[in-house]
Amino acid sequence: KNQVEQSPQSLIILEGKNCTLQCNYTVSPFSNLRWYKQDTGRGPVSLTIMTFSENTKSNGRYTATLDADTKQSSLHITASQLSDSASYICVVSVGAGSYQLTFGKGTKLSVIP
Amino acid sequence: DGGITQSPKYLFRKEGQNVTLSCEQNLNHDAMYWYRQDPGQGLRLIYYSQIVNDFQKGDIAEGYSVSREKKESFPLTVTSAQKNPTAFYLCASRAGTTNYGYTFGSGTRLTVV
Repeated sequence: KNQVEQSPQSLIILEGKNCTLQCNYTVSPFSNLRWYKQDTGRGPVSLTIMTFSENTKSNGRYTATLDADTKQSSLHITASQLSDSASYICVVSVGAGSYQLTFGKGTKLSVIP
Repeated sequence: DGGITQSPKYLFRKEGQNVTLSCEQNLNHDAMYWYRQDPGQGLRLIYYSQIVNDFQKGDIAEGYSVSREKKESFPLTVTSAQKNPTAFYLCASRAGTTNYGYTFGSGTRLTVV
């Protein structure tokens, strides 16, 4: 069964600090992995998308890594800001033309002053 | 601006009533999706459509119905057969020839009163 597990479930950090969110997946065949940011009561917004051959991808203060061998990904947030408070969702796309997405449950990040 | 518009943002339904959630996109995307999001759970696929006048059931289609009469529109009806309809509903679309580029709407929160 295709699954995406995220950790931690929730995280509280001080403004200005860095943090790393984890994503493990058991999806086959793998097509790509994406990280989304979802503010409360809003739709998810894409941060990064990585294919099998990409190890890292950055989007401003967000850097995602992918290890396709161990089926793990991480999202690193540098110099956190209050506006980073949101849920971060890891989504893995099944390949072979199915376009099916498997969603993690998300990590809820709270950045406090 | 191109994007997906969901309406209304908040919707209240009495038990036994059918309600229809609107989803409109001007991205010229071929595929459209409806997801349900519950607290602490990943997004779950209700229905999807890859082309006009065709749609497929997702993982949790029971109690829901859709139509795709126009490329731009993919309304979701929550019927009285859906026993636990209170949730956050997200519509998404994707360009037909790529496994990238999913765009989400801002969601509709449905509450049964």
